[in-house]
Amino acid sequence: EIVLTQSPGTLSLSPGQRATLSCRASQSVSSNYLAWYQQKPGQAPRLLIYGASSRATGIPDRFSGSGSGTDFSLTISRLEPEDSAVYYCQQYHGSPWTFGQGTKVEI
Amino acid sequence: QLQLQESGPGLVKPSETLSLTCSVSGGSISSSSYYWGWIRQSPGKGLEWIAIFYYSGSTYYNPSLKSRVTISVDTSKNQFSLKLSSVTAADTAVYFCATTRGYSHGYFDYWGQGTLVTVSS
Repeated sequence: EIVLTQSPGTLSLSPGQRATLSCRASQSVSSNYLAWYQQKPGQAPRLLIYGASSRATGIPDRFSGSGSGTDFSLTISRLEPEDSAVYYCQQYHGSPWTFGQGTKVEI
Repeated sequence: QLQLQESGPGLVKPSETLSLTCSVSGGSISSSSYYWGWIRQSPGKGLEWIAIFYYSGSTYYNPSLKSRVTISVDTSKNQFSLKLSSVTAADTAVYFCATTRGYSHGYFDYWGQGTLVTVSS
């Protein structure tokens, strides 16, 4: 099973600042089969990024994904108050598909 | 716009079978564009993928749950269901149904709102 470790656990920033979230895999995630989600309290996760760097439909361009192999990151270039949420990475390279434990972004 | 809605009992007794249904609107469960799946979220284990299936038969399971999971589909009602047998307190979670584009495109793009299932006597 591929274990995804996200860091930091919590990120406290101000509006307009840049956030960089990390997701490290215990083994290589080939073909960049990695996604990022945003989850707000009481809601389902919302797909932000798939294929490590492709934005999902309707996602603002301030969200971007990068990385390959075992190291991936999600960047929010200019934080807005509504970006307060927990962010999860997910790999779909190997079975079982697995999720990271999440990074909480506080604004 | 595809919409998914989970339904089922919120309380299940230990050793019994958890049964949930996902109702789909805004699209057909027989569509060639989607696989349909279940994910759960608990405070202890976080987000956990359970299974996905294609309406015509291919099903993929989380190996840790495979022996207890049954997936079924009712195309006439545009619904699919999850049964999880022999539940314990560890199966207490919010259960989501969701879509994915296939086993090689295993990101989940549409989600239901989720339903909390508590396992307790």
